[in-house]
Amino acid sequence: DTEVTQTPKHLVMGMTNKKSLKCEQHMGHRAMYWYKQKAKKPPELMFVYSYEKLSINESVPSRFSPECPNSSLLNLHLHALQPEDSALYLCASSHVAGGPYNEQFFGPGTRLTVL
Amino acid sequence: RKEVEQDPGPFNVPEGATVAFNCTYSNSASQSFFWYRQDCRKEPKLLMSVYSSGNEDGRFTAQLNRASQYISLLIRDSKLSDSATYLCVVTTYNNNDMRFGAGTRLTVKP
Repeated sequence: DTEVTQTPKHLVMGMTNKKSLKCEQHMGHRAMYWYKQKAKKPPELMFVYSYEKLSINESVPSRFSPECPNSSLLNLHLHALQPEDSALYLCASSHVAGGPYNEQFFGPGTRLTVL
Repeated sequence: RKEVEQDPGPFNVPEGATVAFNCTYSNSASQSFFWYRQDCRKEPKLLMSVYSSGNEDGRFTAQLNRASQYISLLIRDSKLSDSATYLCVVTTYNNNDMRFGAGTRLTVKP
């Protein structure tokens, strides 16, 4: 089952709200990722988790806080976001982080709108 | 210079046409190469990995030229369902840090 699920599909939040995005995979993958994608742009890497530990943080503002409770779950906690943070947030997973031909599988994304 | 550069497109072709996309990468330490396709308002989906010897999957052929640091994707006998944005993706060995090209939009018309 090559499926990554994400909830919610859509989220509208105000700048003072706190919300969380959730991602789940049951492929036994040990690497999980968060990407941000703006319209007509490619995905941009935000965070990489390898064996439940944060291995890459691409200088993402602290208003985005990732969490990996276990090997199947990845959360992204949002607080005090700005309107320019509105985007499609994609979760992905791969067998491990690193190594050759380690394909990443993407979830359907959460479309976030910050008012 | 961007790490991964693609033909800007858009490509508008009739059904049955052959179309080719190129992609260049700047990091000579890059180890893995992929083509993903992304439909409008959907997530990227893996189309093909690109191996050093080149590989083919039905109507799709991918080539890698390490010396010149470019990869290509050839689509033969285009179908309407091939209409999508094609993303060139390059990773380094150590951390699976995927770098995406800006994408090339393909529209196949009847």
